[in-house]
Amino acid sequence: AQTVTQSQPEMSVQEAETVTLSCTYDTSENNYYLFWYKQPPSRQMILVIRQEAYKQQNATENRFSVNFQKAAKSFSLKISDSQLGDTAMYFCAFIPMNRDDKIIFGKGTRLHILP
Amino acid sequence: SAVISQKPSRDICQRGTSLTIQCQVDSQVTMMFWYRQQPGQSLTLIATANQGSEATYESGFVIDKFPISRPNLTFSTLTVSNMSPEDSSIYLCSVEGRVADTQYFGPGTRLTVL
Repeated sequence: AQTVTQSQPEMSVQEAETVTLSCTYDTSENNYYLFWYKQPPSRQMILVIRQEAYKQQNATENRFSVNFQKAAKSFSLKISDSQLGDTAMYFCAFIPMNRDDKIIFGKGTRLHILP
Repeated sequence: SAVISQKPSRDICQRGTSLTIQCQVDSQVTMMFWYRQQPGQSLTLIATANQGSEATYESGFVIDKFPISRPNLTFSTLTVSNMSPEDSSIYLCSVEGRVADTQYFGPGTRLTVL
């Protein structure tokens, strides 16, 4: 069975610091996508970043970047120069490529950015 | 990404009643999904809303409790029937956008059942 594990239920960092959220996954698939979604208190799920497993280059979106280690099945999210607006639940997610499988979410990491 | 709206944004309902949640997308999409997010939990897929045919339900979810309509490629409804306090959750719709296998979410509906 495919699983996504987020080992940090909750984290707090000071504003402007860099923080890394961990995610590991288990699959026998070779081609798949990985995602990080952000859910602020407004509850809207927002796609932060997307990584194709066949790409060796780590995805980046402004202050957000990932460290994708395919062999280790690890997909961590780094937030640089953290801002108060980054306070949210962060969900790591996985889906096999080009199949009708459902997306699998981790349990989430609640991130607090402290002023 | 698609612009997705949901109505209502929140509601407080009495036990035994039903609530219909609407999901509207600003462009035609093939895949639409309904999720439940119980307090403090991750997302659980309820069903895939199929245009022109019955929805495909996940294990633990049945059509009598969560009837779904998908009359066209931009709209879907989820009804939560005969509600109990255990149905208190956030209900989210999502769509698969132009980027393959990537889902975008609506703003969610917060349901409280008394």
